[in-house]
Amino acid sequence: KNEVEQSPQNLTAQEGEFITINCSYSVGISALHWLQQHPGGGIVSLFMLSSGKKKHGRLIATINIQEKHSSLHITASHPRDSAVYICAVGPYGGSQGNLIFGKGTKLSVKP
Amino acid sequence: DTEVTQTPKHLVMGMTNKKSLKCEQHMGHRAMYWYKQKAKKPPELMFVYSYEKLSINESVPSRFSPECPNSSLLNLHLHALQPEDSALYLCASSRLGLAGYNEQFFGPGTRLTVL
Repeated sequence: KNEVEQSPQNLTAQEGEFITINCSYSVGISALHWLQQHPGGGIVSLFMLSSGKKKHGRLIATINIQEKHSSLHITASHPRDSAVYICAVGPYGGSQGNLIFGKGTKLSVKP
Repeated sequence: DTEVTQTPKHLVMGMTNKKSLKCEQHMGHRAMYWYKQKAKKPPELMFVYSYEKLSINESVPSRFSPECPNSSLLNLHLHALQPEDSALYLCASSRLGLAGYNEQFFGPGTRLTVL
């Protein structure tokens, strides 16, 4: 069983829809990261969180430490949100920069 | 400046060639990373440098040789690669601190093809 599980693996939405991507993990963590990767490669860090909720524009990330679960929400989705969204955790007591990555969720937003 | 730059963007090389990938950041980060990413897979950590010293080598074959000449630059020297080494190579940087607790800033990557 992977230490970081994401669902769904693939997601197709219509422009304007509310989107939720889920991440569950099985290890104790220092922090959880949500990353975005567009076709062509570059990765952008969206959020790093260790408790509660963070919001940036149309993106909201939440984490429940007791349940070892995080969600990434996108409100009013747009075709430019089409990308792979990756959940990664920094395990508690791990070495510098050691992140455990989920397999990613590929999001396609249709106009 | 919150940018990590990588050169070249694309690289095609034969199995007998020697080439280098370069990465640069000017955010004052003292941790720098090399990742390898195959298609439709998450990134795999290869090397970590802390204060310009190699701190993590994730059992990477010796045909990959990292170098950190100063706190802003990170190189990955390539020699005698195999076709299965074809992948996207990503560089990242972060502040030092509690493991996994610092945001990593990623470069755009170098897409490497080994013929």
